[in-house]
Amino acid sequence: DAKTTQPPSMDCAEGRAANLPCNHSTISGNEYVYWYRQIHSQGPQYIIHGLKNNETNEMASLIITEDRKSSTLILPHATLRDTAVYYCIVRPSGAGSYQLTFGKGTKLSVIP
Amino acid sequence: DTAVSQTPKYLVTQMGNDKSIKCEQNLGHDTMYWYKQDSKKFLKIMFSYNNKELIINETVPNRFSPKSPDKAHLNLHINSLELGDSAVYFCASSLGTGGAWGYTFGSGTRLTVV
Repeated sequence: DAKTTQPPSMDCAEGRAANLPCNHSTISGNEYVYWYRQIHSQGPQYIIHGLKNNETNEMASLIITEDRKSSTLILPHATLRDTAVYYCIVRPSGAGSYQLTFGKGTKLSVIP
Repeated sequence: DTAVSQTPKYLVTQMGNDKSIKCEQNLGHDTMYWYKQDSKKFLKIMFSYNNKELIINETVPNRFSPKSPDKAHLNLHINSLELGDSAVYFCASSLGTGGAWGYTFGSGTRLTVV
């Protein structure tokens, strides 16, 4: 899997948008960008994933640059419950890509 | 209904004992995983099973033996427990093995070896 680089920590005011960056400069054309988060003492939770196009779901938006070397996860209105470690992961799309490899992630603190 | 359930949630045991952690998923997924999260919070894959067949075994001591009786279950048996085995163990499942499929994780089993 290609490596990703994320800032170790970020703060965000409650109610504001949280923009979490991720660099994946060595990403291959067939690799997806995944975002997961882990709230304290819980199992990782899937947020969103994308290949080339920007994606949006009920939790977040994923913006992938045109060259696919970086992406941004956007939580449009952060709440205290969004405080968690956020993991950006790239993973090949083909069958047989079994592993989801976690890095250190970004610890997001949402501040009242 | 819990999608991926693990039992027990907490497990405290003495060194040298043998213990098992059970995992069940009701999502109809055909691939299941065990991850270990140590005290430094790194999540590392241990095993992966696809349709009851072992497909990943990541440099895990052979004291750890996964068993998959069917596609919905993946249990983890640990022999001769050591202090370093203390960690949180997460089970996960996915519909397929390719990158298009996300994982669903259980809530974890906190193992403490004393």
